Amino acid sequence: EVQVLESGGDLVQPGGSLRLSCAASGFIISSYAMTWVRQAPGKGLEWVSTIRDSGGRTYYADSVKGRFTISRDNSNNTLYLQMNSLRAEDAAIYYCAKLRGSTRENAFDIWGQGTMVIVSS
Amino acid sequence: SYVLTQPPSVSVAPGQTARITCGGNNIGSKSVHWYQQKPGRAPVLVVYDDSDRPSGIPERFSGSNSGNTATLTISRVEAGDEADYYCQVWDFGSDHIVFGTGTEVTVL
Repeated sequence: EVQVLESGGDLVQPGGSLRLSCAASGFIISSYAMTWVRQAPGKGLEWVSTIRDSGGRTYYADSVKGRFTISRDNSNNTLYLQMNSLRAEDAAIYYCAKLRGSTRENAFDIWGQGTMVIVSS
Repeated sequence: SYVLTQPPSVSVAPGQTARITCGGNNIGSKSVHWYQQKPGRAPVLVVYDDSDRPSGIPERFSGSNSGNTATLTISRVEAGDEADYYCQVWDFGSDHIVFGTGTEVTVL
């Protein structure tokens, strides 16, 4: 079965760091673009970052550029999101998703259940 | 930045047709994808590339895209279709993915 499973969400203080993981099974992540999407409580979906397959070119929302880093470990078939300098407005459920193809214009066909990030002192 | 505008809510009686619009500048030139999200659950892809359906999605879900408006149509609406629906595109101009504002569908 094709699926992804996020982990790493936690309570962190403003200015702190956190690394989210997304373990993939049933497919090889290096063959597809992968993405992170977040959703603040009671709000809509917000795209965070995408990484392409080959070459691993990365894309970021303006709200996280320079603070977040998307990466993947092909040997572990795992996607990551390193989040630094966290702010209160970064608090959200973070979803990992697989794109249907290798490029960024494809739809997100497989989603994880999400992991919660809380930013508070 | 590119903006996608959806009506906040749509109400429809069971068995009727729900139409959810997604407005954006020249959206007809882009590939539009639609997601369904039920409370407490992750989003699910229901239409991709304007009008294609993933396996397992009922034929009652269909999409179209032209000019400045994309539309998700749900025919013969059922109680189980109650959810939030989001459109999404890749904006080549900004190299960003953009989600619509979301539409809450209520089945009366």
